[in-house]
Amino acid sequence: DIQMTQSPSSVSASVGDRVSITCRASQGISTWLAWYQQKPGEAPKLLIYAASSLQSGFPSRFSGSGSGTDFTLTISSLQPEDFATYYCQQANSSPLTFGGGTKVEIK
Amino acid sequence: EVQLVESGGGLVQPGGSLRLSCAASGFTFRSYWMHWVRQAPGEGLVWVSRINSGGSDTDYADSVRGRFTISRDNARNTLFLQMSSLRAEDTAFYFCVRDPGPGWFDPWGQGILVTVSS
Repeated sequence: DIQMTQSPSSVSASVGDRVSITCRASQGISTWLAWYQQKPGEAPKLLIYAASSLQSGFPSRFSGSGSGTDFTLTISSLQPEDFATYYCQQANSSPLTFGGGTKVEIK
Repeated sequence: EVQLVESGGGLVQPGGSLRLSCAASGFTFRSYWMHWVRQAPGEGLVWVSRINSGGSDTDYADSVRGRFTISRDNARNTLFLQMSSLRAEDTAFYFCVRDPGPGWFDPWGQGILVTVSS
């Protein structure tokens, strides 16, 4: 199984800050990577797919990068509605696996 | 609007069985692979199972293989998860998700809680 390791597990930031979350795969997955946003009490939402493609409905302050084993989700200027937990997920091979999540909290 | 609505959750005793359903609308259900993903309260996301568009091919996480069965009825636009020999560690919110290809999850249902406890 491919292990997905996210860091940090939580980050405290202020509105307007730039936030980066990293995700490392235990083996190369090309760009078969997605990011999800989950707010408390809600289902996750697809945010980024194919490592860098922004899902419709999300603003351009969200971006994804990386390939192989190392990936990054960046929020260029954190907004109040961005406080949530973010998960990466590999779609390279079964079983599909998620990172442990990164909670973005208000400083 | 694409919608996925789960039902059938609840409280069940260890060793018991439960069948989850997911009613799909707003898209051509028979054209998409579908999955179940679960999340224990306060924990992360775990993929459970997937089924191809025609229902002829399935896959499972090791933790549920042999106990859970995924199926679908394309005439009724419905996805199922038959769960048996349930354990306390199966307690989670279960999400029905569409696979727009190839292995992403979008959208997600609202989730249904399954609690395994005596």
